[in-house]
Parts: sequence; C-alpha cells; structure tokens
Amino acid sequence: GESVGLHLPTLSVQEGDNSIINCAYSNSASDYFIWYKQESGKGPQFIIDIRSNMDKRQGQRVTVLLNKTVKHLSLQIAATQPGDSAVYFCAENTGGFKTIFGAGTRLFVKA
Amino acid sequence: SQTIHQWPATLVQPVGSPLSLECTVEGTSNPNLYWYRQAAGRGLQLLFYSVGIGQISSEVPQNLSASRPQDRQFILSSKKLLLSDSGFYLCAWRGLWFRGKETQYFGPGTRLLVL
Repeated sequence: GESVGLHLPTLSVQEGDNSIINCAYSNSASDYFIWYKQESGKGPQFIIDIRSNMDKRQGQRVTVLLNKTVKHLSLQIAATQPGDSAVYFCAENTGGFKTIFGAGTRLFVKA
Repeated sequence: SQTIHQWPATLVQPVGSPLSLECTVEGTSNPNLYWYRQAAGRGLQLLFYSVGIGQISSEVPQNLSASRPQDRQFILSSKKLLLSDSGFYLCAWRGLWFRGKETQYFGPGTRLLVL
C-alpha cells in the first residue's frame, strides 16, 4: 500500500557490487509492476516493468524478479555505479486508473 | 514520442496567495493525467487524476483543486496556500490500458516553497 508519510529506507553498496532492492506489494490482483528511478530534484523515470504472467525480466544491467506467492518484487542492479545513486520506487497496477507506489528505497553507491 | 512539461520549475509563494501549476503532454491523445505531491525524502502522494476533459477525481481532501480544460492540459490550483502545501509537485500521464501502455510517465516536477 501507499506509505507516503514514512522516511525512506536506505541501501548502501560499494561501487561495482550488485544491488538488490526489495518491495512487498499489497494487492494479489495486481497484474503489472514497474520500477522507477528518481534522482534528486527530478521526476521518477521508468526503468523496467514486468507482467504478472512472468517471474523474471532483464534489461540493461537491471533484472526484475516477481514472486506472486509472497507478493514480492525485487530490482537487481549489476555492477552498481555512482550514477545509480537515487531513490527507487516499485509500483503496481491492478487494472484500474491508479498506480500504487511503494514507499521508495534510497540507494547510496560508495566509491 | 511523448513528452510532458511542467511549469514553473520552482516557485516561492507567501502563505495565503493563490497557486496555479500547469502540466501539458505532447505526442499522445486522451491520456490519463495525474497530480502527485512529494514531501522531502518521502514517497508519492496521489492528489488528483483525470481520465478525460472536465473529469477530475480527488484523492485527498485539501485546499487544492485540479482542472482539465483541454485533453492534454492539467492544472493544479489553490485559492489560498498553506505552509503545508510546500513540496515537490509531479504531473504524470498514462495511456489507455488496453493499448498496453500502462506505465505512468512523470514530468520534471515543480518545487513549491510556501513561506
């Protein structure tokens, strides 16, 4: 569900390591999931999406995993770079007009 | 390709003053349009959404209002700003779901500071 009032959890990783950002979604009827990246002072940008009939999808350096049994979504970033430092949001669509966003996770990449 | 514009980028307003933020979308027709607010270091709060001209759905009761005078124009307004209205305002659009375009795309945002 929405958690707009909570401070963002943070994840700190060393440059070059892999990052895994996790998200628990709320609605078992959700059929489409999206990951967004938001850099400081900018709007969220689409990274990758996955439909509920899939359990894995790969992009460039990013992989999204979907576990419908436990309603869990994860974003894996390979060989994390300083430019990956941002806030990452997961989002779910249930087929209606609204998209439900997670609370977000702040990723810090240490050089 | 589709683009979404917001202006102004930054705004400093006194308490009690009016507000008008504008959002326009290019390269698509009949989009779903959304206004979000984001407090510093926080998540996204949906304020309003619209599925067509003149149609507005409000998510959070507050002193803000929205209007959609044209298909690709979405306006966020207030008659009297409060200190608590400060934040980062984001406009987003989404295509019709049956076209497979279910992703929301965000504008660059407007940072509002109410003093």
